[in-house]
Amino acid sequence: QLQLQESGPGLVKPSETLSLTCTVSGGSISSSSYYWGWIRQPPGKGLEWIGSIYYSGSTYYNPSLKSRVTISVDTSKNQFSLKLSSVTAADTAVYYCARRIGKAPNRFDPWGQGTLVTVSS
Amino acid sequence: QSALTQPPSASGSPGQSVTISCTGTSSDVGGYNYVSWYQQHSGKAPKLMIYEVSKRPSGVPDRFSGSKSGNTASLTVSGLQAEDEADYYCSSYAGSNNPVVFGGGTKLTVL
Repeated sequence: QLQLQESGPGLVKPSETLSLTCTVSGGSISSSSYYWGWIRQPPGKGLEWIGSIYYSGSTYYNPSLKSRVTISVDTSKNQFSLKLSSVTAADTAVYYCARRIGKAPNRFDPWGQGTLVTVSS
Repeated sequence: QSALTQPPSASGSPGQSVTISCTGTSSDVGGYNYVSWYQQHSGKAPKLMIYEVSKRPSGVPDRFSGSKSGNTASLTVSGLQAEDEADYYCSSYAGSNNPVVFGGGTKLTVL
């Protein structure tokens, strides 16, 4: 059974770069059938898609975050990563990683448990 | 402000049916058959319940169904059960410039 696990610092200072890693277990990140995505949820608010990546490194991002986001993949470690630069308090959120299945860009299944990242000095 | 509009709340008694709407535009919901619905219990990760408007992933009860008419998609939960109490989010493809958009979420209460 495929599982995803987010990891990274829970506290980031304003103006610094948020870095998270998603480790995939129970399946290969190099499968041609899937993309891999990041989605976030500010406390008490709704979901926001950040971006998605294919095992080849092909990416596409939310245009509202594109200038600050980099998603990369490490197939040797079965991991993909998120970097969000110049963070502010508005970037405080639970960050989820998820597998995207098939042609539908918004078919994410399963999701990781999520990790809370707080932006504060 | 979310790209897709959902009612903040919905409710129903056990055994009843409830429908949650998700309104977009011809550039997202109305333009593509790529609407998904996610269930999120408090403190948990979202779970895919419906994809491509009306398809159910394996393991999702057939009490959950999805449909679309014009720019509005709907999720219907039939035979409400206590465990259906959760937040529900819709999502749509919105074109190559902004591929994935979500609704603001609907809190479903089972009375």
